[in-house]
Amino acid sequence: GPKVLQIPSHQIIDMGQMVTLNCDPVSNHLYFYWYKQILGQQMEFLVNFYNGKVMEKSKLFKDQFSVERPDGSYFTLKIQPTALEDSAVYFCASSFGQGSTEVFFGKGTRLTVV
Amino acid sequence: GDSVTQTEGPVTVSESESLIINCTYSATSIAYPNLFWYVRYPGEGLQLLLKVITAGQKGSSRGFEATYNKETTSFHLQKASVQESDSAVYYCALGDQPYNQGKLIFGQGTKLSIKP
Repeated sequence: GPKVLQIPSHQIIDMGQMVTLNCDPVSNHLYFYWYKQILGQQMEFLVNFYNGKVMEKSKLFKDQFSVERPDGSYFTLKIQPTALEDSAVYFCASSFGQGSTEVFFGKGTRLTVV
Repeated sequence: GDSVTQTEGPVTVSESESLIINCTYSATSIAYPNLFWYVRYPGEGLQLLLKVITAGQKGSSRGFEATYNKETTSFHLQKASVQESDSAVYYCALGDQPYNQGKLIFGQGTKLSIKP
């Protein structure tokens, strides 16, 4: 079936540095999402994105976070600067529509901030 | 806020035995949330197993079933006879925005292992 690819699968970064997590969504999809899962906790919604704009974000989507999808390439989550509490697995997802269409998830990027 | 609670894992079931993974939800922002079961097989991304958007209805897929029970605010996942290939992590989820089904509230996941 359709695949959402996340690159890299694991990234280690020094606290205070910038990190960009990349997501290659399903090719004809228009809506994009990021979720965060801290070890041992639930996956939590961060943000969704459509037509070049953030549509909705949760309180977990701090000012240090930003998302973009320049020119239909990767959908990215940038964290600048990173903090220790940003260590988590970040899942990207995409869907064609917002209503009854299926949402497809990537395998996640494990981010470790040291 | 809205929340989902499911059977705490890990759960181990022998092949051919029946399975139930409990899921209860609390939805304060919407009277009739959409309910989902997602599954993550080893080495794979999360994928939709089944969904039900109407209270009282049952969803089914790959031998699994779940019924949307508004009275007990439950959406338990059941299977009559499990197979080794069902070993995975199962997530119950709630959608409180029918126009935005990518915005989900997940349970903590239940890791299921099937003994051959």
